[in-house]
Amino acid sequence: GQQVMQIPQYQHVQEGEDFTTYCNSSTTLSNIQWYKQRPGGHPVFLIQLVKSGEVKKQKRLTFQFGEAKKNSSLHITATQTTDVGTYFCAGLGSSNTGKLIFGQGTTLQVKP
Amino acid sequence: DTEVTQTPKHLVMGMTNKKSLKCEQHMGHRAMYWYKQKAKKPPELMFVYSYEKLSINESVPSRFSPECPNSSLLNLHLHALQPEDSALYLCASSQDVSLPSRYGYTFGSGTRLTVV
Repeated sequence: GQQVMQIPQYQHVQEGEDFTTYCNSSTTLSNIQWYKQRPGGHPVFLIQLVKSGEVKKQKRLTFQFGEAKKNSSLHITATQTTDVGTYFCAGLGSSNTGKLIFGQGTTLQVKP
Repeated sequence: DTEVTQTPKHLVMGMTNKKSLKCEQHMGHRAMYWYKQKAKKPPELMFVYSYEKLSINESVPSRFSPECPNSSLLNLHLHALQPEDSALYLCASSQDVSLPSRYGYTFGSGTRLTVV
């Protein structure tokens, strides 16, 4: 079945440093979504990427979707303590069944 | 209203109890989902409802029984659970299962379930 792998599992950075998490799917995706979950919270939607090679930016966050639509990345520039949380990528397969499969997540800790 | 509301927020139940989790949304979304999340793990899909009909059951044990009474409500009936079923149960909704939505899935805050 469809699997979504995400690395690294954990990342500790000093405030102001950059951060990147990578996501790889075993199958071609129709789209990929990114979510952030704060400690004790629930996943909150950040963005969706649909097109091959797509790049989207939200302030200090840059999201990319690979040309083959099987990999994606999230890059945060100059991290802040408010960026703390777990970042999940989640892929929708080509059958459009609504079966959103989450990667393992990357937990980001930011030291002030 | 751009929220998914889940009740109760916390639930402790014995292995012989019957309880229900409730989820409600008023965004006009036609797809609703149940996810289970263990500590330090990603959400794991359990069920998908599309236009009030069950479209995906991810081989979930029958002690979990979903129900969609109408387009705004989703229930998860629990019976004879095991301690390993203790987890955060998340409800989510989206516009449609087949249309990519730039708003993604909206998750509720979850029910934290403890089975004793």
